[in-house]
Amino acid sequence: EAGVTQFPSHSVIEKGQTVTLRCDPISGHDNLYWYRRVMGKEIKFLLHFVKESKQDESGMPNNRFLAERTGGTYSTLKVQPAELEDSGVYFCASSQALGLSYEQYFGPGTRLTVT
Amino acid sequence: AQSVTQLGSHVSVSEGALVLLRCNYSSSVPPYLFWYVQYPNQGLQLLLKYTTGATLVKGINGFEAEFKKSETSFHLTKPSAHMSDAAEYFCAVSDRRQGGKLIFGQGTELSVKP
Repeated sequence: EAGVTQFPSHSVIEKGQTVTLRCDPISGHDNLYWYRRVMGKEIKFLLHFVKESKQDESGMPNNRFLAERTGGTYSTLKVQPAELEDSGVYFCASSQALGLSYEQYFGPGTRLTVT
Repeated sequence: AQSVTQLGSHVSVSEGALVLLRCNYSSSVPPYLFWYVQYPNQGLQLLLKYTTGATLVKGINGFEAEFKKSETSFHLTKPSAHMSDAAEYFCAVSDRRQGGKLIFGQGTELSVKP
């Protein structure tokens, strides 16, 4: 079974440019999460999808970030325009139901560098 | 609101020595607790979790953790460190009522000396 995949693995862009990160969850996982780790800080929650619907986007930093999940499958996270403080590692995770067997499976992350 | 505190951003042990990584949490509801590990250039991998039942949970690679409600702790231990245990470890808490999002601690970098 394929794990969570993320693309690209690394992106370097200039301030003011646009970048789109992609996440492919494990097949059949309705729940998809985005997290971010800024250097030296803890991993922070950004948002949560259940299928194609945004369940919780309380962690999104500002309106320069736009997340979508087409047809309840893969998800994209667009940053437009990018700022220096957006640099960090963006993780995606997916999970099945939220019962006692609950577990989130993480992708390898996308390292974003804004110069 | 939930929160997690990991004591010590860097821990160094000798090979064969006990590994103890500390985690304290704050939660107004019975928490789900997790330990994740991140090896260099890889994603986060679940080591173990506590959701309900037995408070001593065993995970992969010989790690275990004990949920102590009275101390609001979920410390991670391994009796004998191996060189391959060198990685960054994250403690996390989740509230199922909030959709299961994870609240992470700051992470602890574990170094293992030969």
